[in-house]
Amino acid sequence: VIWMTQSPSLLSASTGDRVTISCRMSQGISSYLAWYQQKPGKAPELLIYAASTLQNGVPSRFSGSGSGTDFTLTISCLQSEDFATYYCQQYYSFPLTFGGGTKVEIK
Amino acid sequence: QVQLQESGPGLVKPSQTLSLTCTVSGGSISSGDYYWSWIRQPPGKGLEWIGYIYYSGSTYYNPSLKSRVTISVDTSKNQFSLKLSSVTAADTAVYYCARDGGDGYNDYFDYWGQGTLVTVSS
Repeated sequence: VIWMTQSPSLLSASTGDRVTISCRMSQGISSYLAWYQQKPGKAPELLIYAASTLQNGVPSRFSGSGSGTDFTLTISCLQSEDFATYYCQQYYSFPLTFGGGTKVEIK
Repeated sequence: QVQLQESGPGLVKPSQTLSLTCTVSGGSISSGDYYWSWIRQPPGKGLEWIGYIYYSGSTYYNPSLKSRVTISVDTSKNQFSLKLSSVTAADTAVYYCARDGGDGYNDYFDYWGQGTLVTVSS
């Protein structure tokens, strides 16, 4: 099983801030990583796959980087609709696993 | 536009079997282009992948749940289903169905159902 550590678990930020979320793997996964955004009471939505490829319709202020064991999700200019919880997910090996989540809250 | 919709009882008694169905619209499970997954989220907690099924009926389950999980598919109804046996309070969660790119290289989830809360309680 590949374990995933997301940090921070809670991030307080203001509209307009640049924020970064980290996801670290217990072993290398090449670029087989996805990022999701989840708002309260809603299903997660795919933001990024293959570590850095933006899903259709996702704003360009979202970006992903990394390979191997260390990955980052960056929101370049935080908007009000971006306050949510973010999860990483590896699909390098089974079972598919998710990080513990990072909640981005209003500072 | 692909849409997924979960359905099933919202309350299950301990030791019984949880049964949910996911109905897919806007796309055919039989196309063979995707795999179809179940994922759950206990209240206030993170996401856990349960397993997936291909239109042919081939499955892969999370080893942590494998002994209690059965996922099946009904291509005539464009549905796939989840059964989880011998449930306990720890199985209380929002259960999501989702489309999985599959093929071993694209196992991320691009379409999700809205989720259904299943509570295990007597």
